[in-house]
This record gives sequence, C-alpha cells and structure tokens, in this order.
Amino acid sequence: AQRVTQPEKLLSVFKGAPVELKCNYSYSGSPELFWYVQYSRQRLQLLLRHISRESIKGFTADLNKGETSFHLKKPFAQEEDSAMYYCALSANRLAFGKGNQVVVIP
Amino acid sequence: DSGVTQTPKHLITATGQRVTLRCSPRSGDLSVYWYQQSLDQGLQFLIQYYNGEERAKGNILERFSAQQFPDLHSELNLSSLELGDSALYFCASSAGGRGLDEQYFGPGTRLTVT
Repeated sequence: AQRVTQPEKLLSVFKGAPVELKCNYSYSGSPELFWYVQYSRQRLQLLLRHISRESIKGFTADLNKGETSFHLKKPFAQEEDSAMYYCALSANRLAFGKGNQVVVIP
Repeated sequence: DSGVTQTPKHLITATGQRVTLRCSPRSGDLSVYWYQQSLDQGLQFLIQYYNGEERAKGNILERFSAQQFPDLHSELNLSSLELGDSALYFCASSAGGRGLDEQYFGPGTRLTVT
C-alpha cells in the first residue's frame, strides 16, 4: 500500500527564514512524487514533481529513497508562500498526505 | 483557472438523501479523478475514470458511485447521505491515465449534510 505522511499540520515562519516541509512515504515500488499547493481561494495546483528536478518559485524537493523522503525546501520564505502544501505519491493512483498549512509572518 | 469545472459550488442536504456532483474536465483530458477532502482525513482519492472506463478505485464507499459519459464529463453520486459525508469534493482531470500526469483540479463542491 502507498502512504504519505506529512507530520506537521501547521508551520509558521518569519519572512526571509528558511522553510522545510517534511514528507515521508511508504511504497514498495519506484515512487513518483509531487508537491501540490493550494493558495487561499485558489485551486489545488501542481508545484513541482521529482522527475523534473526543477526549482519552482524558489522551492526544491529532493527524493531520498534511503530515507523514503521528499522534503520541500525554500531558503527564504516570502509572504506569498502562505498556503496549504500537499505531498503526493503516484503509483496506480495519487495518494496525498494530509497537508501542511504554511503561514509566513511578515 | 485550470479549465476544470464543477457544479454545484455548494450543496446542503439532509441525511438519507441522494445528490449528484458534476465535473467537466479540461478540453482534451481523458481522465477524471474524484477526491474527498475533510478536516480529519485530508485529501482522499475516491475513483478515477479514463475515457469512460473505471481505471482506479480508492476509498470510495459503496453508497457512492461515479461514471464518465461519452462527452467525458463525470458525475459522482452520493446516496444515503450521513453527517460524516460533509466534505469538499474535488474533481481533477489529466490528459492521460497514468499517475505521472499532472492533475488539474476543479474548484470543488462543498457538501453539507444536516
């Protein structure tokens, strides 16, 4: 079975401080991992996926198969980063974690 | 705007009733996915249809059913509603049927069961 765990429900950080959202997964096969984001009053949308190995809006995420993790990081948080972030794992379907509410304090 | 539309936006109904939620995917997308989002369970995958056929099934209750029509729009039917079914129901679409494909989400239907 595939499972995604995001341990912290709420994360408050000051503007300019680093942000790290933890995501751990369990899956026996080779995982495809994503981060989705939902800004206030907007739809859930893809932020980044591990196969792209790209940085989006300053965010990066590295897949660590040994630790079964896909943590999302940004060195300097901005106010516009305040949102709900979901880690997701795809096998035959997309399994989401419960999400992290990020609040960036000005 | 993702191009995925969902109707209605809000729905208030009583326990024991039946409702139908509708989703129109982005133009050209063949897959439709349904999710339930509640405060305690987070975002739960319910079911996926690809080009009219059921492709994957998640935590969908037997009281719930879905279908995808020839024009590719989809409906999620929820029957014998219980208070615990109150949630936000999202639909998403993707071009293909694979898990790698980016999913585009609709705005959701908020269902309140009283």
